Amino acid sequence: DQQVKQNSPSLSVQEGRISILNCDYTNSMFDYFLWYKKYPAEGPTFLISISSIKDKNEDGRFTVFLNKSAKHLSLHIVPSQPGDSAVYFCAASPTSGTYKYIFGTGTRLKVLA
Amino acid sequence: ETGVTQTPRHLVMGMTNKKSLKCEQHLGHNAMYWYKQSAKKPLELMFVYSLEERVENNSVPSRFSPECPNSSHLFLHLHTLQPEDSALYLCASSQGGSQETQYFGPGTRLLVL
Repeated sequence: DQQVKQNSPSLSVQEGRISILNCDYTNSMFDYFLWYKKYPAEGPTFLISISSIKDKNEDGRFTVFLNKSAKHLSLHIVPSQPGDSAVYFCAASPTSGTYKYIFGTGTRLKVLA
Repeated sequence: ETGVTQTPRHLVMGMTNKKSLKCEQHLGHNAMYWYKQSAKKPLELMFVYSLEERVENNSVPSRFSPECPNSSHLFLHLHTLQPEDSALYLCASSQGGSQETQYFGPGTRLLVL
């Protein structure tokens, strides 16, 4: 059973508009969340993270929102750019003491020029 | 070289072959990871080494054998693999373990015939 779910396998957005990528998790022990971006033929690269003590973290065009009661997080990219076209993975980690991240299956974002 | 490098980038092997995947990190990290990514599945953690000691082994079949001779190098020795082992194998490293950002290599695309 998948503990981290990205239910939208793909998303298309017009350049300049907002991209919203969603992620749901089932394990209430998760308290640290990350987003990674992956281009073809490259490994995932870290984008942004959020701890469960926060509900929002912002880094330039990227903002991650965490709703603990709904066990839901989202990544907002605004404005979207064609270079943002990639696969985005959400990952979650339980309380400290483990090296393990649980990843979602990814959402392929296409930003149309 | 910077970051995390992996060789080879592509590998085709028969079920009776023995091969090894190599990972090297140039980031001064002390934890290294092997992940498997199969089509339409999330990244699955296989092994974790911290300070050259294996700290996680996620029920991986014995036909996969990791080796970490020092904190900069990680190997995955492959022996009598099955076609279902065909996947992208990703190496990552981090400074410390729990809830530290993991930095990924580009991966080795493995095809088992």
